[in-house]
This record gives sequence, C-alpha cells and structure tokens, in this order.
Amino acid sequence: AQKVTQAQTEISVVEKEDVTLDCVYETRDTTYYLFWYKQPPSGELVFLIRRNSFDEQNEISGRYSWNFQKSTSSFNFTITASQVVDSAVYFCALSEGTNAGNNRKLIWGLGTSLAVNP
Amino acid sequence: DTEVTQTPKHLVMGMTNKKSLKCEQHMGHRAMYWYKQKAKKPPELMFVYSYEKLSINESVPSRFSPECPNSSLLNLHLHALQPEDSALYLCASSQGVRTSDTQYFGPGTRLTVL
Repeated sequence: AQKVTQAQTEISVVEKEDVTLDCVYETRDTTYYLFWYKQPPSGELVFLIRRNSFDEQNEISGRYSWNFQKSTSSFNFTITASQVVDSAVYFCALSEGTNAGNNRKLIWGLGTSLAVNP
Repeated sequence: DTEVTQTPKHLVMGMTNKKSLKCEQHMGHRAMYWYKQKAKKPPELMFVYSYEKLSINESVPSRFSPECPNSSLLNLHLHALQPEDSALYLCASSQGVRTSDTQYFGPGTRLTVL
C-alpha cells in the first residue's frame, strides 16, 4: 500500500540553524513522483519541488536542498541557515501510477510544523 | 504565472444558508480540484474535474455540489452545511491528471459554519 510518513510532527529551531525534515514513503510502483509543499500560516499550499523516481540526483535551490534516496525510500528536505519566514507546515506527498488515463491522487504525509525562532 | 485565485477568503454561514466558493486559474490547466483541510491535517481530496468533466468524487455529501462552468473556473456550491464542515477549502489546478502533473494551489477559503 502507498504511504507517506513524516515522523517529525513539530520542530523548533533558532534562526540560522540548519534543519532537516524527513519523509519516508512506501509504494509498489516503479514510476512515481514525490513532492514537497510549504503551508505558511496564511494557508496557501506552495509547491516547492517535484522529483521523479528515476532521478536520484540531489537538488539545491538557494537555502533549500533535497536528498532523494531510493535505497531507503526517503526524500528529505534540508533548510540551511533557517529564517523566521521559513516557519510553516511542510508536507511531503507521493503520486504514483501510470500515465495511461490514471486519475491518480496525491498521498500526503501528515506534515511537519517548523517553527523558526528569532 | 502559477496563480490560482479563490474567493471569498473568509466565509461565515448558517446551517440553512446557500453559498458558493469560486476558484479561477489562467494557466491553461485542464484539471481542477477541491480539497478540504482541517487544522493540523493534510488536505483531503473532495472532487477532481478533468477537461471540465467530474472524474473523481470522493464520496462527498450532497450538501457540497461542484460545478465547472469552463476550463478556467471551478465552483463549490454549499447548502445545509453542518458545523463540522468548517474548514479551509483549497482549490488546485494541474496541467492534467497524470502522475507527473504538479498541483498548484490557491490561497483557500476559510469557512465557518454556525
């Protein structure tokens, strides 16, 4: 069965600390996509990254980086030198299935609430 | 431009009222979604429209009625809601409904049912 686990419910750090948010997934498919979204207190879900199952290269975007490891079924997200504006709930999600007319749904983790304190 | 807009931002309604939530996207996307999100939970899928046709209804009560007038617009008509329906309602759109399609979300409507 497909599942996404974000074991860290809440994390609190002080500004400028590095922080890693964990995401572990389960799927039987060989083709799948993983996503990270950020939800600040305003409520909007902001898309951060999409990664497909065939591309294990790590990705860096400014202070954000993602480590995808198929061997451990993990897709972890690191924020370097955290800032107060990074305070939000972060969701990891899995999309699986073939492209052949599949009405696929996103499988969501429960989210990690990150508080960055000044 | 990855903007999805939703109106209103906030809505308070009584259990006997009829109201509508509106969502609009101008990205040329052909799939649109309604989600319901309770506090401290991930979004729960309610409906999916693909090419203006309803393709997924996640066993949502009939007091929620979706409508897709055209490929850019999505409405959610509300009638005889219950207090437990109070939540953040999020609209999203994507290019299609393929595994690889990224969903882009609007800012949501915070609904309170009294």
